[in-house]
Amino acid sequence: DTAVSQTPKYLVTQMGNDKSIKCEQNLGHDTMYWYKQDSKKFLKIMFSYNNKELIINETVPNRFSPKSPDKAHLNLHINSLELGDSAVYFCASSLRTSGQETQYFGPGTRLLVL
Amino acid sequence: GQNIDQPTEMTATEGAIVQINCTYQTSGFNGLFWYQQHAGEAPTFLSYNVLDGLEEKGRFSSFLSRSKGYSYLLLKELQMKDSASYLCAVPFSGGYNKLIFGAGTRLAVHP
Repeated sequence: DTAVSQTPKYLVTQMGNDKSIKCEQNLGHDTMYWYKQDSKKFLKIMFSYNNKELIINETVPNRFSPKSPDKAHLNLHINSLELGDSAVYFCASSLRTSGQETQYFGPGTRLLVL
Repeated sequence: GQNIDQPTEMTATEGAIVQINCTYQTSGFNGLFWYQQHAGEAPTFLSYNVLDGLEEKGRFSSFLSRSKGYSYLLLKELQMKDSASYLCAVPFSGGYNKLIFGAGTRLAVHP
């Protein structure tokens, strides 16, 4: 009974390729997030959706495009991958958008761009 | 802006007590979270403090002082499995549940 799941777990690809990461939560939460954790382990928010609406959009290259087909799913598409995109990408969800809501993280997708 | 500081690394001995500090600066305060992250795994929620004082949860306790912009995580009766990174995070004061994370404190527990 995985609460927040992501696929794939590992992704190795060449520079210039386009790839997608998928996330699903079965917690009934309204809000979902994408985070990037770089090699220094610094966890930084990229995007957030609430009920399929984009509410947080950090300063991220427009090669990154999130999509939320419904409130249980949030995907991340990355165009023209670059070496600097290598990182672990975590999906998370929370019940609502309130700052007091706990966020629950998925297992992460380890992306390596060669 | 918002800023979070925590020590980069700490070491401790099995069975001991360790305190991991976190200082923060934020224009508005909406609570403080502690997460645990084992190597290669996802962050998992440990605690949330919004009022001053100590909150105890088994071997782990978390303390908050809003006037000092300070929190700590106290781990008692340390076990080897407590070796992990501990992340301090505060919600962005501008709204929504945008968490700002500190760089994390990597704790190594030795026998």
